[in-house]
Amino acid sequence: DAKTTQPPSMDCAEGRAANLPCNHSTISGNEYVYWYRQIHSQGPQYIIHGLKNNETNEMASLIITEDRKSSTLILPHATLRDTAVYYCIVRVKGGGADGLTFGKGTHLIIQP
Amino acid sequence: EAGVTQFPSHSVIEKGQTVTLRCDPISGHDNLYWYRRVMGKEIKFLLHFVKESKQDESGMPNNRFLAERTGGTYSTLKVQPAELEDSGVYFCASSQAVSKGNNEKLFFGSGTQLSVL
Repeated sequence: DAKTTQPPSMDCAEGRAANLPCNHSTISGNEYVYWYRQIHSQGPQYIIHGLKNNETNEMASLIITEDRKSSTLILPHATLRDTAVYYCIVRVKGGGADGLTFGKGTHLIIQP
Repeated sequence: EAGVTQFPSHSVIEKGQTVTLRCDPISGHDNLYWYRRVMGKEIKFLLHFVKESKQDESGMPNNRFLAERTGGTYSTLKVQPAELEDSGVYFCASSQAVSKGNNEKLFFGSGTQLSVL
């Protein structure tokens, strides 16, 4: 799996959009970008994934640059419950669903 | 629908003892994974079952760890004998079969906090 780089921590005010960047300059053509998060004392939670088009679901939006070397996860209206460690993971989709490679992630802190 | 459940939520044992962790995946999920996070480190993959077969056990740290999934339903992870460095949070996750097209979403349990004293 391609290596990703994320800032170790970020702050965001409650109610504002939280924009979490991820660099994946060595991504291969068949690798997807996945985002998971881990809220304290819970297991990781799937958020969203994409290949090259921007994606949106009920939790977040994913913006992938045209060259696919970086992406941004957007939480449109952050709440205190969004405080968590966010992981950007790049991997081939399917293929037997191999183990995810979690890095250090970004610790997002939502400030009241 | 019930999510992935893990038992126990916490376990405190002494070095040299045996501990068995259990994971019940979401019903119908063929893929089952074990991960662990050792204090201060990243979450690491341990192994992957497809139904009752071990698809990938490259992340298992050593032969003190034994994972089983008899019948392709729930799974157990046994540590025998436990060492101090085995302390951490053990997560289980499950996903649907590849053929059902949604296997990229892994659903995680809340984990078992293992403390070896």
